[in-house]
Amino acid sequence: GPKVLQIPSHQIIDMGQMVTLNCDPVSNHLYFYWYKQILGQQMEFLVNFYNGKVMEKSKLFKDQFSVERPDGSYFTLKIQPTALEDSAVYFCASSFWGGSYEQYFGPGTRLTVL
Amino acid sequence: QQQVRQSPQSLTVWEGETAILNCSYEDSTFDYFPWYWQFPRESPALLIAIRPVSNKKEDGRFTIFFNKREKKLSLHITDSQPGDSATYFCAASPTNTGKLTFGDGTVLTVKP
Repeated sequence: GPKVLQIPSHQIIDMGQMVTLNCDPVSNHLYFYWYKQILGQQMEFLVNFYNGKVMEKSKLFKDQFSVERPDGSYFTLKIQPTALEDSAVYFCASSFWGGSYEQYFGPGTRLTVL
Repeated sequence: QQQVRQSPQSLTVWEGETAILNCSYEDSTFDYFPWYWQFPRESPALLIAIRPVSNKKEDGRFTIFFNKREKKLSLHITDSQPGDSATYFCAASPTNTGKLTFGDGTVLTVKP
């Protein structure tokens, strides 16, 4: 079936550095999402993105976070600067339709902030 | 307060038995309930989903039973197979948003 790719699979960085997580969504999808999962906890919605704009974001989407998809390339999540509590697995998802329709998930990027 | 709760945390059944996974929710604006399954080292994938216009959704061996009044739903897996062993996530979202709220997951093990 359709696949969402995420690069890298693991990232280790020092606190205060910038990190960019990359997502290659399903090719004809129009809606993009990021979710965060801290070890042992449930996956939590961060943000959704459509037509070049953030549609909705949760309280977890701090000011240090930003998303973009320049020129239809990777959908990215940038964290600048990173903090220890940003350590988690970040899942990207995409869907063709917005609203209550199937989201396809990537395998996640495990981010460790030291 | 956790908006979507799942039980049990883990479940073991024998091959051929029916596995029952439970889910409850708090937010009455939720109107789309997908179940995702995730195998080790793979992405979560949509298994089956239901909307409150119906109280049952069936797809092969997988059936969702939905009780809107009690804000509960359950996933029944009949004739369980070892290949069904995975983590199952119940999720929910309000009308016309893609903002999924996930439960903690149930780890299902099917023994041959």
